[in-house]
Amino acid sequence: KAGVTQTPRYLIKTRGQQVTLSCSPISGHRSVSWYQQTPGQGLQFLFEYFSETQRNKGNFPGRFSGRQFSNSRSEMNVSTLELGDSALYLCASSPVVPRETQYFGPGTRLLVL
Amino acid sequence: TQLLEQSPQFLSIQEGENLTVYCNSSSVFSSLQWYRQEPGEGPVLLVTVVTGGEVKKLKRLTFQFGDARKDSSLHITAAQPGDTGLYLCAGAANQGGKLIFGQGTELSVKP
Repeated sequence: KAGVTQTPRYLIKTRGQQVTLSCSPISGHRSVSWYQQTPGQGLQFLFEYFSETQRNKGNFPGRFSGRQFSNSRSEMNVSTLELGDSALYLCASSPVVPRETQYFGPGTRLLVL
Repeated sequence: TQLLEQSPQFLSIQEGENLTVYCNSSSVFSSLQWYRQEPGEGPVLLVTVVTGGEVKKLKRLTFQFGDARKDSSLHITAAQPGDTGLYLCAGAANQGGKLIFGQGTELSVKP
């Protein structure tokens, strides 16, 4: 089976711009979660989607949003980018059962200048 | 708020040595996962432990979940340079689908 894929792998944006990141889960996986990884904060949960519905949300401002499509692919969007949004954004998918076991993609490295 | 404290943060050892990484919390987790991450890549799942007291072995790696499901350890026997990387523990929070991560252990194994 192909693993979790994320596009693009690298992205450079400037402050104030917006960005959309894409994630394709492992075939058959219906849950997709997003995480932000920075050297200072480590990995922090952004949100989780299942069957096109957001089920959990982390403590991030409303500038961070996401959605899931009927084929389980997911996108996350960050509007009005700030310098502190520079990070590795990771997507993880999991089968319905067991739900907690998550398989990560390679990530999208976002640099905000 | 559920937190996971991972220790040590950094570990530099010689090839052939043994090591243990600890992951502790005051909260109970329904399961705990260990990942290994290389620079610029996503974490790769090593193991998931679910039952309190469970021990799982993966070649030279031994994982243990505490009886109370609040802590876990990873023991590596006869470390090799290929074991170098960032080791992360992650607990499944009360709401499924959300993982709480420890800060990670940066392991360097020198030949």
